Amino acid sequence: QKEVEQNSGPLSVPEGAIASLNCTYSDRGSQSFFWYRQYSGKSPELIMSIYSNGDKEDGRFTAQLNKASQYVSLLIRDSQPSDSATYLCAVNVAGGSNYKLTFGKGTLLTVNP
Amino acid sequence: GAVVSQHPSWVICKSGTSVKIECRSLDFQATTMFWYRQFPKQSLMLMATSNEGSKATYEQGVEKDKFLINHASLTLSTLTVTSAHPEDSSFYICSARSAFGSNQPQHFGDGTRLSIL
Repeated sequence: QKEVEQNSGPLSVPEGAIASLNCTYSDRGSQSFFWYRQYSGKSPELIMSIYSNGDKEDGRFTAQLNKASQYVSLLIRDSQPSDSATYLCAVNVAGGSNYKLTFGKGTLLTVNP
Repeated sequence: GAVVSQHPSWVICKSGTSVKIECRSLDFQATTMFWYRQFPKQSLMLMATSNEGSKATYEQGVEKDKFLINHASLTLSTLTVTSAHPEDSSFYICSARSAFGSNQPQHFGDGTRLSIL
């Protein structure tokens, strides 16, 4: 069973702080990793893709990947109340003839004004 | 870019009705589309994977005769919930992946909230 583990939270941070979200995965052969944001009652929205070890920055978001440790993280700098949502870590795994995403259960982030 | 349109946004219908949901990739070609179901406060559950021009691959426990999937073109996939019953009420979400490769991310539609009375 290929698994993706996340702390379910809730994670609560004050406005302007850094929010740190973590994820581990079990399939050592995974090559692509994604972070999605899902607001309550809405569908997931892609925030970051990362494929290589190291950091990838996009605006206030930084994704970090360590394949040796099978660990992916997402940092949100200068957190805003509008960042309050569930953050889903997703790992692309081979399944039969197709690649499909395995999702973690998500981390609920609350940013307090 | 990478916009996925899903219709309808919500459906309320009587038990026994069949409901069709459409998923379109508006600005890219999607050889592979995915259908998910999500119950309140739970994670996404993959129902099936569809490749353009091929039969869909269903996940274990998902009835293929109950959830009919058609993916006739590179930009359109449909999910038909046949003879829907109250237990089929859920949030159905489609996603599409670019034809450029299996490492590409999936882009999600806005979802369809289905309520069966």
